Parts: sequence; structure tokens; C-alpha cells
Amino acid sequence: DVVMTQTPVSLSVAIGQPASISCKSSQSLVGTSGKTYLNWLLQRPGQSPKRLIYLVSKLDSGIPDRFSGSGSETDFTLKISRVEADDLGVYYCLQGTHFPFTFGSGTKLEIK
Amino acid sequence: EGQLVESGGGLVEPGRSLKLSCAASGFTFSNYVMDWVRQAPKKGLEWVASISTGGGNTYYPDSVKGRFTISRDNAKSTLYLQMNSLRSEDTATYYCAALGSKGDYWGQGVMVTVSS
Repeated sequence: DVVMTQTPVSLSVAIGQPASISCKSSQSLVGTSGKTYLNWLLQRPGQSPKRLIYLVSKLDSGIPDRFSGSGSETDFTLKISRVEADDLGVYYCLQGTHFPFTFGSGTKLEIK
Repeated sequence: EGQLVESGGGLVEPGRSLKLSCAASGFTFSNYVMDWVRQAPKKGLEWVASISTGGGNTYYPDSVKGRFTISRDNAKSTLYLQMNSLRSEDTATYYCAALGSKGDYWGQGVMVTVSS
């Protein structure tokens, strides 16, 4: 199984400051189609998860462009250019290239 | 606006069975690969099963393979998860999800507790 190593476990960020989360996979996430099925999701407290980014860097509809995704092969990053209060929650990376699909262990974002 | 609504959760004894349902509305259900994802209390997310748009292909992690069966009825826009031989470690909130290139939809989650 592909292991997704997500860091940090938690981070505390002041409003208006940037934040960055890393996700490293134990093997390349480039699929046979040439696409890289790496997603980022946010689970706000008491809510269902919500996808923010798919295919490494594509923003889902309605997601502000303060969020961006980058990376390739085995190293991926989610960046928030300016954190807002609504961004608090747990962020997960999810690989959908290899079965079984696997999640990172999550990064809890708190507002300082 | 697309919506997924799960049902069928509850308290069940170890070794027994339970069937979850997920009713979709507001989007073209038959166009989406569908997934079940679970979350044990205070834990992270775990992928449980996927099914292709037509239902002909299904995928599971080893933790549930042979015990869980995912299925769908596109005419009814409904996804199912048949869970057999339940174990205490299957206790979790179960979410159905549609993760497509045109958007994602998640249910509100349904709690399954396996305990005697």
C-alpha cells in the first residue's frame, strides 16, 4: 500500500499569515494515464470532509485562490497564502492513483 | 446543488451484518465513481470501497475485503454498502462520497457501532 506521510501534525497560524502542509508518498503517484491523482481535503470541526484540490493543483469550484497545490511524483504541498478564520480544521491528502486509496494522517490547523 | 444522504447505521453485535444506503440527488449519479470512506472516533479518514460508474468494477482495502460489498443502483441514484462479519474495529462514521472532475459531494455521515 502507498503510505502518505503528512507533516506537520498541527500548526497554529495567525490570520493573514501563510501556511504550508507537506505530503510525501512512498511511491510515485503518476498513473498509467500520466495523471497524478493527489487530492487535498479539509474537514472542518463537526463536518464532512470537503475536497479543495484534485490532480495536484486543480482547485475545486468555489475554493478561494488563497489555496494552491503543487508537487510531483512523491512530494506534494498545500499552501494557503493568507489564512482566514474559516480555514481551521484538519487537512488531509489523499492519493487516488493506486488501490487501495490512502489518506495522510491529517494536519490540524488552528488559528493563533 | 448535489446532495448525498446516508442511512442504515446503528448499533450491531460483532459478527452480525448491516447495510448502508446513500441516496444521491442534484447531480448525475451515474456519471460518478462512488466511494465509501470511514472515520473511527477521533481518528483520521480511511477509504473503504470504490465502485465504477456502471457498477462492474469494485475495489476494497484488505481490511474489509471479503466482508464488505459495495453496489449501486443507477436507476434509483443510490449507493449501498453491505457489511458482513462486523468487528469492533469497524466502528466508525461512514461517509459516501462522489469525487469527480466536475466536483465532489459528501454525505453527512452515518454512525456504525459494533459492540456486544
